[in-house]
Amino acid sequence: DGGITQSPKYLFRKEGQNVTLSCEQNLNHDAMYWYRQDPGQGLRLIYYSQIVNDFQKGDIAEGYSVSREKKESFPLTVTSAQKNPTAFYLCASSILWIRGEETQYFGPGTRLLVL
Amino acid sequence: SQQGEEDPQALSIQEGENATMNCSYKTSINNLQWYRQNSGRGLVHLILIRSNEREKHSGRLRVTLDTSKKSSSLLITASRAADTASYFCATRFIAQGGSEKLVFGKGTKLTVNP
Repeated sequence: DGGITQSPKYLFRKEGQNVTLSCEQNLNHDAMYWYRQDPGQGLRLIYYSQIVNDFQKGDIAEGYSVSREKKESFPLTVTSAQKNPTAFYLCASSILWIRGEETQYFGPGTRLLVL
Repeated sequence: SQQGEEDPQALSIQEGENATMNCSYKTSINNLQWYRQNSGRGLVHLILIRSNEREKHSGRLRVTLDTSKKSSSLLITASRAADTASYFCATRFIAQGGSEKLVFGKGTKLTVNP
């Protein structure tokens, strides 16, 4: 069954703690993305990667870090520098851009809450 | 901001009625996409319309694009309770520096009452 998985579904962070959200895809997609969604808001891009060992900052990268050591995996770390981390985090993937017509496939999301 | 803006923010209709959602954007685009999100879940791609297309259909979905007005509409015909979800438009355009960007709007929350 092809798709994108995210884990955990819920994650609790204590003050000053770094936490890592997992994203795995078996769609053989080149590009992967991390978005943050706040209540009643659209999606804001945190980081994206178009190829292994390379990634780019999105619109709200401060306080976050990523790695792309394998094509199928794109973990996101929410660091202690992110002062307002409570949000719904969505991972997505797509075939590398061809004529700008690729669509994004999303995982089920991870809800991060601060204790 | 390039972000598309959906209108209305919320829409409540009865089952069987048609639902129309609009999206406006600010600069030239390569294409516009509509996505659906059930509560607490990821987004699902519905339909893509290119900048040189005016109308596209997929099942009960009809999307129009008016590049002169920088707007798009999504029509869901004969709505069902299962259509209850948030609907987002996403515009793809070339940003400063030549990179492609896909930017999502804030969404329209549709409720279809049985």
